[in-house]
Parts: sequence; structure tokens; C-alpha cells
Amino acid sequence: EVQLVDSGGALVQPGGSLRLSCAASEFTFGSYAMSWVRQAPGKGLEWVSAISGSGGTTYYADSVKGRFTISRDNSKNTLYLQMYSLRAEDTAIYYCAKEKAFVTTVTTYFDYWGQGTLVTVSS
Amino acid sequence: QSVLTQPPSASGAPGQRVTISCSGSSSNIGSNTVNWYQQLPGTAPKLLIYTNNERPSGVPDRFSGSKSGTSASLAISGLQSEDEADYYCAAWDDSLVGCVFGGGTKLTVL
Repeated sequence: EVQLVDSGGALVQPGGSLRLSCAASEFTFGSYAMSWVRQAPGKGLEWVSAISGSGGTTYYADSVKGRFTISRDNSKNTLYLQMYSLRAEDTAIYYCAKEKAFVTTVTTYFDYWGQGTLVTVSS
Repeated sequence: QSVLTQPPSASGAPGQRVTISCSGSSSNIGSNTVNWYQQLPGTAPKLLIYTNNERPSGVPDRFSGSKSGTSASLAISGLQSEDEADYYCAAWDDSLVGCVFGGGTKLTVL
């Protein structure tokens, strides 16, 4: 069974940085695009970023563009989200999610999700 | 303010049929496929319906999806207590160049 384990969440001050990780197993990690989706406390889901199986193509939501960087290490079966210039509104549970294909397309969907890791931005 | 619009709540008695709507625009639902996710309390979301009306293995056929124009719907028949959850629609948006979600619908089984 596909497993995605999110980690790296923490309490960080406004303006600070943090790197999240998602360890994948039980599937050929490099064959699938991956995304990060977040959920602020008591709120709905918000897509954050996506990366192709090779890492060569990335997409970002406008709310994080220029501040967050998605990357992956296929040799370690791990997805990352490097977050800079964190703001209070970035406070959320961050989920990694596996996509259905090698690249993100207009028909993409998320067939497996990690358990989430909580990021709190507060002074 | 979510790009896709869902009613914040829905309810029904056990055994009844409930539908949840999802309204979008020509840049998302109108031109791309719709997916639905179920989030049980305190857990991660789970894929419920993909490509408008397909069910992943293990999802009961009580759940069905449809799409028409710039709107989509999720129907749940034979409502059960374990269906109490938040439901989210999602689609790719060609203008935003990203995935967009609805605000979510909290389903209560009376």
C-alpha cells in the first residue's frame, strides 16, 4: 500500500523559514508528480505546489510564489517544500499528495495523501 | 473566497439521498475534469471520485459524481452515519495554472 509520511512542521516566527519533507514508499516515486496541499485551522483545502516526476516542471499557487520552493530527491524517495518569509496566514496543516501521472495535467487528481504536518507561524 | 463554490453544509437522514453541488467557471470545471475528496474528522483527505464520475477501488457505489457545463455534483445514496465528513470538489484552473478547491461541504447525518 502506498505510504506518504509528512514531517518537518514546527512553530516558526514570522519571516522565518522551514523545510517540510514527505517520505514515500511502496510505489515508484520518480514515476509520479507530487503536490503539497495545505489546510488552515478550521478552513478548507488549498493547493500549494506541484512538481513533475523528474522534478523538471513545477507549479505554485500565487499565494506562495516566490516564497516557497518545491523539490524532490528521487534517490531518497522524498518530496520537499522549502518555505521562506513565512507569514501568519501560512499557518496550516501541510499534506503531501501523490498525483496520478508523471506530470501534472489538467486532469490531475490526488490519489494518496500523507497524514499532514502542522506549521504554525507566530511570534 | 474559494474559486469553486460549494454549500457550506448539507444533511440527511440515514438511508436518504443527498447531493452536494460545486459551481465553477469556464476556466476550471467548464474545461477540465472534476474530482471529489472526503475528509473524515481529524484525518487526511481521501480521493472519493475522480474524472467527474469514476470511483477508486474500495469506494462504495453509493457515491456518484456528475458534471454539466461549469457545475458538478456529488450524490450520496443510502446515507450512513459514517458518511459524516467534509466533502471537497477540485479541478485544474487554466487561468490560474493550478489546482483549485471548493470551500468544502460539511455533511451531517441526522
